[in-house]
Amino acid sequence: NAGVTQTPKFQVLKTGQSMTLQCAQDMNHEYMSWYRQDPGMGLRLIHYSVGAGITDQGEVPNGYNVSRSTTEDFPLRLLSAAPSQTSVYFCASRPIRQGGYGYTFGSGTRLTVV
Amino acid sequence: KNEVEQSPQNLTAQEGEFITINCSYSVGISALHWLQQHPGGGIVSLFMLSSGKKKHGRLIATINIQEKHSSLHITASHPRDSAVYICAALKTSYDKVIFGPGTSLSVIP
Repeated sequence: NAGVTQTPKFQVLKTGQSMTLQCAQDMNHEYMSWYRQDPGMGLRLIHYSVGAGITDQGEVPNGYNVSRSTTEDFPLRLLSAAPSQTSVYFCASRPIRQGGYGYTFGSGTRLTVV
Repeated sequence: KNEVEQSPQNLTAQEGEFITINCSYSVGISALHWLQQHPGGGIVSLFMLSSGKKKHGRLIATINIQEKHSSLHITASHPRDSAVYICAALKTSYDKVIFGPGTSLSVIP
């Protein structure tokens, strides 16, 4: 099925560990992005990309790295996990052109850092 | 002051009622999105608007670019409409999105 595949769904990390959240889409969308959602807060943009080889920072980029080597994949790397990074993470994609319904979201990753 | 605001913050309605959720923004935009987040956490895109009005089933979204205001209407509300509704403003197609804080809707049978 076409859409955004996000893995893993759940993850527990120890403080200081690193990990990569995977995001892949098969809709040939140019725009891909990562968000975190904390209790009582809205979605906050971490990093985004408008195409392969192009990435930029969002609202809360510290502690996270991204790369976009292909149109399909946009992994999010946590360099040294901290308890403050405990959150639910969403990946989303959309076409740059106008029209359609806009964003397609992944199912989310619930990350706990202990 | 947030660049994208929503009202009300919380809304409880009886099944069958007509519901309106409002979104106002202070920046120039190229498009505005309405998203629905279910209690289980999944997020679905409902509409992307740059002008006028769009309709999908019982959902209607309107936007007034001059007044910097958008509304999401739900006709004949149903308990399965219970969710958080989020509006998001896009300055340009290549730009960052700015999210509103969300409106939590509960529809009671």
